[in-house]
Amino acid sequence: DGGITQSPKYLFRKEGQNVTLSCEQNLNHDAMYWYRQDPGQGLRLIYYSQIVNDFQKGDIAEGYSVSREKKESFPLTVTSAQKNPTAFYLCASSIVRASNQPQHFGDGTRLSIL
Amino acid sequence: RKEVEQDPGPFNVPEGATVAFNCTYSNSASQSFFWYRQDCRKEPKLLMSVYSSGNEDGRFTAQLNRASQYISLLIRDSKLSDSATYLCVVINNAGNMLTFGGGTRLMVKP
Repeated sequence: DGGITQSPKYLFRKEGQNVTLSCEQNLNHDAMYWYRQDPGQGLRLIYYSQIVNDFQKGDIAEGYSVSREKKESFPLTVTSAQKNPTAFYLCASSIVRASNQPQHFGDGTRLSIL
Repeated sequence: RKEVEQDPGPFNVPEGATVAFNCTYSNSASQSFFWYRQDCRKEPKLLMSVYSSGNEDGRFTAQLNRASQYISLLIRDSKLSDSATYLCVVINNAGNMLTFGGGTRLMVKP
């Protein structure tokens, strides 16, 4: 089945630690995105990538880093500089330059501070 | 002003009621529009696209008003299972960037 896989489902971070969230897609989509969602809030864009080896900051990129070495993979690292990392993190993908195509989401990673 | 705005609600309605949500957007050149549904602690899932002429899918009707820059979602004969947060999504005129509204929470009561 084609889709987006995020792992782990739950993640705990110790103070001062960097953690990496995985996102893999087999939909052959060019564009991938990372969002953060806080309780009762909408989605906020962290980073996005429209092509391999290229990515752009979203609205709340501080304290996060990404890489796009392969088309199917877009891992997100939550660094120790992100002081309030507890949130629901969603990865999405879409066909770039096809404006009538929606994004497809993974089922998310919940990150908490220990 | 936010690019895409929604009334956060919650909208509390009885089963069988008709309820409508609006979503306003600021970029008049926006190209494409969608409604997503998000259940508690789950990922958003596509509910329906919004076409210029309006479109219907069962009990759900989506409409676009370009002059006033808003989209709407109408739910008829509400079911308990319709309880969720409804997110509107706007794609920019370049066709390469999505913006989500903050979501409207709907609670359908027996």
